[in-house]
Amino acid sequence: DTGVSQNPRHKITKRGQNVTFRCDPISEHNRLYWYRQTLGQGPEFLTYFQNEAQLEKSRLLSDRFSAERPKGSFSTLEIQRTEQGDSAMYLCASSLRDMREKLFFGSGTQLSVL
Amino acid sequence: GNSVTQMEGPVTLSEEAFLTINCTYTATGYPSLFWYVQYPGEGLQLLLKATKADDKGSNKGFEATYRKETTSFHLEKGSVQVSDSAVYFCALSGTGGSYIPTFGRGTSLIVHP
Repeated sequence: DTGVSQNPRHKITKRGQNVTFRCDPISEHNRLYWYRQTLGQGPEFLTYFQNEAQLEKSRLLSDRFSAERPKGSFSTLEIQRTEQGDSAMYLCASSLRDMREKLFFGSGTQLSVL
Repeated sequence: GNSVTQMEGPVTLSEEAFLTINCTYTATGYPSLFWYVQYPGEGLQLLLKATKADDKGSNKGFEATYRKETTSFHLEKGSVQVSDSAVYFCALSGTGGSYIPTFGRGTSLIVHP
């Protein structure tokens, strides 16, 4: 169990640029989640995958956000035309389908939009 | 919709003091309840859970009891250590067919020697 890995740890970008984050879940986990966390708040759900299928998306996930999990392993989250309000910690988590309530989180990617 | 309310932090205690972090929830149906902990520089990790009313979850000396009548799931520990310093998140899931956890805002705990 090598844990959930997220890259990069930090990303600084200018408003209007596109950014992409990567998440590598625990290898046998078939569920993968993306959350967003802002300062002083708890994680807010964005989207989740079961294997390669994206099964649910939050209303927080605007058209500028897209997530993929092409082979049911790693996942990417892309934000197009970033805005200052996108600045946040983006968290990835994974779980087993049969233990879906026990999430394992990565350390997150901190995005700063200038 | 589902929501979780936690007490404001930080909570500052001396080592060996008694800890209570309050958590109340709003949900339809019968959710499962959780406490997650985030140590500095690490990801959130599940600390304990309870899946039905009157269940008590426990781990590492921490306990929380699922109180349906007061819609609460307060976290307690009898004697905290410096190593317990972290941010604690209350969460719920399992209503409306979705098992996606909804989290509270987190409560920071600082324990002094």
